[in-house]
Amino acid sequence: RKEVEQDPGPFNVPEGATVAFNCTYSNSASQSFFWYRQDCRKEPKLLMSVYSSGNEDGRFTAQLNRASQYISLLIRDSKLSDSATYLCVVNMGTGGFKTIFGAGTRLFVKA
Amino acid sequence: ETGVTQSPTHLIKTRGQQVTLRCSSQSGHNTVSWYQQALGQGPQFIFQYYREEENGRGNFPPRFSGLQFPNYSSELNVNALELDDSALYLCASSSDREENIQYFGAGTRLSVL
Repeated sequence: RKEVEQDPGPFNVPEGATVAFNCTYSNSASQSFFWYRQDCRKEPKLLMSVYSSGNEDGRFTAQLNRASQYISLLIRDSKLSDSATYLCVVNMGTGGFKTIFGAGTRLFVKA
Repeated sequence: ETGVTQSPTHLIKTRGQQVTLRCSSQSGHNTVSWYQQALGQGPQFIFQYYREEENGRGNFPPRFSGLQFPNYSSELNVNALELDDSALYLCASSSDREENIQYFGAGTRLSVL
C-alpha cells in the first residue's frame, strides 16, 4: 500500500463546476499536511496547509480527518486557470524527517 | 518567485558518470530537501538537510549523497548514473519556524543516456 494515495485522474470539468479531491495516508504519526499545485513542466507550489479545523482560502477548502487518515480539497466555481495537477503532501517527523507526495490528480477545466 | 534557485537547469550525462546538482535556499531558510520526480509521478523524497546535517532520508541508494553548506545552500551528488536516474530533480527550502512549508526551485532536468 502506498503511504499517500490520491484519486486517480484525470478530472475533466466545465468552468463553474465544483470538484473534490481525496487523499489518504497510511502513517498515523504523520504531522503536517498540505496541498500543492503543479503546472505542466513547472515546480510544485504551495496551495494551502491542511488543518483538522478546516482551512478555506477563497474558492478552495481543505479538510483533515485524522481519525480516518483522510485529506480533502474542494474547489468551487472552477476557472480555466485551475487546470493543473494537485498533489497531496504529508510530513512525518519520527525516525528522521520525511515528506511523502501523492502521485497527483490532474484537473482539466474546460470552457 | 520562491527565491530558491537550482543549477544547472538541464543536464545530459551518460551511464556510469557522476553528477552534482546545486541549490540555493530562500533567505532565512535553514532546511533543504531534495526530490526526484519522474514523468507522470509525484516527487519522491531523497533526503533533507537541516543546519548542515542529514535530517531524514527516503528510499534511495547510497550513491545518492548530499551536502549542506554554512550558508544553507546544498548539493546533490549522484554517482554511477543509471538510465532510471533520468528525471526532474527538485530542491525545496523551508524554515522550522514556518510549519516546514517547502518552497521549490524550478528543478534540474537530468537525462542519462
